[in-house]
Amino acid sequence: KQEVTQIPAALSVPEGENLVLNCSFTDSAIYNLQWFRQDPGKGLTSLLLIQSSQREQTSGRLNASLDKSSGRSTLYIAASQPGDSATYLCAVLAGNTPLVFGKGTRLSVIA
Amino acid sequence: DGGITQSPKYLFRKEGQNVTLSCEQNLNHDAMYWYRQDPGQGLRLIYYSQIVNDFQKGDIAEGYSVSREKKESFPLTVTSAQKNPTAFYLCASNMRIHAGNTGELFFGEGSRLTVL
Repeated sequence: KQEVTQIPAALSVPEGENLVLNCSFTDSAIYNLQWFRQDPGKGLTSLLLIQSSQREQTSGRLNASLDKSSGRSTLYIAASQPGDSATYLCAVLAGNTPLVFGKGTRLSVIA
Repeated sequence: DGGITQSPKYLFRKEGQNVTLSCEQNLNHDAMYWYRQDPGQGLRLIYYSQIVNDFQKGDIAEGYSVSREKKESFPLTVTSAQKNPTAFYLCASNMRIHAGNTGELFFGEGSRLTVL
């Protein structure tokens, strides 16, 4: 059974720092991996999707990488801002089955 | 604009009452999902449906029921049998994977249910 783990569970950084969020999964037979952002009391917003044949995806200050063979993905946030404070979740899709989610990393960026 | 609409955003219920949460999508997605989120916890899958008139139980289906009579609609009923229904409920949808589809998952804004 696929399991997705996100470490750390919470992270606090000063504004302007570059930071990395980690996501690991136990079964490398995935179709894609998706990173989401969730603000308090809101739904999840899709940030980046990396298909299994890809190594990375970029959107603005965000860069997500995927190493399928080692079961790892990282989300890199450059020059962090207070507005980046949120919970970040990763999820993997193995086929026409529900995505499997990690429990998320709660990020606080301090001004 | 295409998206997923959940209603109501906030709902209060007395113990013993059934309530139905609405989820409507205009993305022409095949699959729809219901998740439950409790404070400080991850997402837990309640039910999902990959085609009209068919649905499967997720990890925590007890005390819940769903229907999928139309492609765009997937309502969730929280029954009186659900022992601890106070939670944040999220609906999501995506296309089934086949050539050209990434399976990217999209979420609604959520419905917060409080049992008094």
